[in-house]
Amino acid sequence: GDSVTQMEGPVTLSEEAFLTINCTYTATGYPSLFWYVQYPGEGLQLLLKATKADDKGSNKGFEATYRKETTSFHLEKGSVQVSDSAVYFCALSASGGSYIPTFGRGTSLIVHP
Amino acid sequence: DAGVIQSPRHEVTEMGQEVTLRCKPISGHNSLFWYRQTMMRGLELLIYFNNNVPIDDSGMPEDRFSAKMPNASFSTLKIQPSEPRDSAVYFCASSQKQATNEKLFFGSGTQLSVL
Repeated sequence: GDSVTQMEGPVTLSEEAFLTINCTYTATGYPSLFWYVQYPGEGLQLLLKATKADDKGSNKGFEATYRKETTSFHLEKGSVQVSDSAVYFCALSASGGSYIPTFGRGTSLIVHP
Repeated sequence: DAGVIQSPRHEVTEMGQEVTLRCKPISGHNSLFWYRQTMMRGLELLIYFNNNVPIDDSGMPEDRFSAKMPNASFSTLKIQPSEPRDSAVYFCASSQKQATNEKLFFGSGTQLSVL
């Protein structure tokens, strides 16, 4: 079945550091890929998405590129801020199925001043 | 757009009591999802509705859990009787249509504590 694997956290960085959160997936068909972010005490919200191979999703300085050859969708940001501290979820939605998104376990990011 | 609205935000109850969680999806959205989030198991899908019809309830833990969607603007998740292991944050989410590139809109969740 479909699955998403994320690097375990927490990831702890200093402000202005470079961020990478790894995400790999297994899916049938041609999935759409998503990153969601969950701030403390809130629900998940979409951060960015990509719907086909080589697409790059971007938002708020975050980027992720859909790599079909490596089945990956790593999240990156060049300079993190304290306000980026949150839990980040990688997810996929595969065609040919029930359109139910599959989520990874989430990676907690802590950014120190 | 008011977003997905869940109530209550917090619920504390005693083991054996009935608990009802409520969700109002975004107007015009056809798909509704109930998730449970715990530290141990992460985010688990409990049930998925499309056009008010349950499509996949394979994630519902056991017969103590039931969910309904009587109309397009309201859904409930009921636990009867509740147990301490049901303590978690329960999220409702909706999306506009069934499509692989559709994003989910999540509510703020209900923090359930069963003592």
